[in-house]
Amino acid sequence: EPEVTQTPSHQVTQMGQEVILRCVPISNHLYFYWYRQILGQKVEFLVSFYNNEISEKSEIFDDQFSVERPDGSNFTLKIRSTKLEDSAMYFCASSHGRSYNEQFFGPGTRLTVL
Amino acid sequence: RKEVEQDPGPFNVPEGATVAFNCTYSNSASQSFFWYRQDCRKEPKLLMSVYSSGNEDGRFTAQLNRASQYISLLIRDSKLSDSATYLCVVNSDNAGNMLTFGGGTRLMVKP
Repeated sequence: EPEVTQTPSHQVTQMGQEVILRCVPISNHLYFYWYRQILGQKVEFLVSFYNNEISEKSEIFDDQFSVERPDGSNFTLKIRSTKLEDSAMYFCASSHGRSYNEQFFGPGTRLTVL
Repeated sequence: RKEVEQDPGPFNVPEGATVAFNCTYSNSASQSFFWYRQDCRKEPKLLMSVYSSGNEDGRFTAQLNRASQYISLLIRDSKLSDSATYLCVVNSDNAGNMLTFGGGTRLMVKP
């Protein structure tokens, strides 16, 4: 069964450093997403991406964040200058369509900012 | 104001019990609804979509009441492996394809 994959599983970084989180969505899916979950809190939407551009983003997704699909398979989330409060689990998801189409989540990257 | 609200639990039930979870959502324009389950420190996994007519998948039954903006999940004959957090999730079409998650309801099934 096809699945979303993410690397690395755990990333530790110093405050102020840049990090890139990587995702490989399900191959025939067209919509890609990033969510985050701070420990003990609910899952929060960050951004959706379709046709090589951002289609929706939340207030959390400020200028420190960017997304890219550098090739036909990878989808990345970059945090330019990490802050302590960026420590969270970051989930990538993909769906075949929008709205009524179910989103399938990757196993997540645990980001720890020291 | 919380957009998707759930009782956090935990619900402690014996194996074989029937348990029901409820969820309310605030955006009346919401178009699609889901239940996901999340095991500790793992990703949300889709359990089932929720349709207006209600739907059943084995031991799981989901209901939607649009007038009351209320979604439910019923689990029959609970198994130990059902122990998890159940997430009520809403996709508001006027917000694109952004999923809004509830805080989750924790279920613990005991032998």
